[in-house]
Amino acid sequence: GESVGLHLPTLSVQEGDNSIINCAYSNSASDYFIWYKQESGKGPQFIIDIRSNMDKRQGQRVTVLLNKTVKHLSLQIAATQPGDSAVYFCAENQSGNQFYFGTGTSLTVIP
Amino acid sequence: NAGVMQNPRHLVRRRGQEARLRCSPMKGHSHVYWYRQLPEEGLKFMVYLQKENIIDESGMPKERFSAEFPKEGPSILRIQQVVRGDSAAYFCASSRGANTYEQYFGPGTRLTVT
Repeated sequence: GESVGLHLPTLSVQEGDNSIINCAYSNSASDYFIWYKQESGKGPQFIIDIRSNMDKRQGQRVTVLLNKTVKHLSLQIAATQPGDSAVYFCAENQSGNQFYFGTGTSLTVIP
Repeated sequence: NAGVMQNPRHLVRRRGQEARLRCSPMKGHSHVYWYRQLPEEGLKFMVYLQKENIIDESGMPKERFSAEFPKEGPSILRIQQVVRGDSAAYFCASSRGANTYEQYFGPGTRLTVT
């Protein structure tokens, strides 16, 4: 399944499928981005980050893609598991230490 | 290796009372950030502090809200004369320094104003 960013805040996928969560950021000057995972009742948890001099970065089961031309960020989760169910936020950093968070996409994994 | 600590986890206040939220950063971290999250929304930046200094408070409401990070002890977010609209989850994050962008979040304090 694939969300289209802020206009579709929920995403449901079957366990084992790949998930793609999208994020459109606002400022072309943003040079650093983070994806956070937030489970119900908990604080955001760092997943993966990427700097603007990169197009792609891979972690364990996750890949972040950055398209600066269209100011678009995506998070790909391979072999989605029930424990991946959460709200996912992208955050952009323009300067200093202030981050701007998107509204988030709620991912539900169907067993 | 304790993470960012916040207390209380839940706080109930009546309108007009004061709310004090505490945040202890991760060991070795000297930078603290406060965010507010309304239900089904993203986090909104409020304030960024270093020890004994407010670096950026551009996200703080002009009245009733204040924050401090003393030389000793936790950072405190203080809300005076709370109103229903202050009900939200307040998250604290910390980072190692100004040039280290990765912020680690605490579990949050859920404030309910009745």
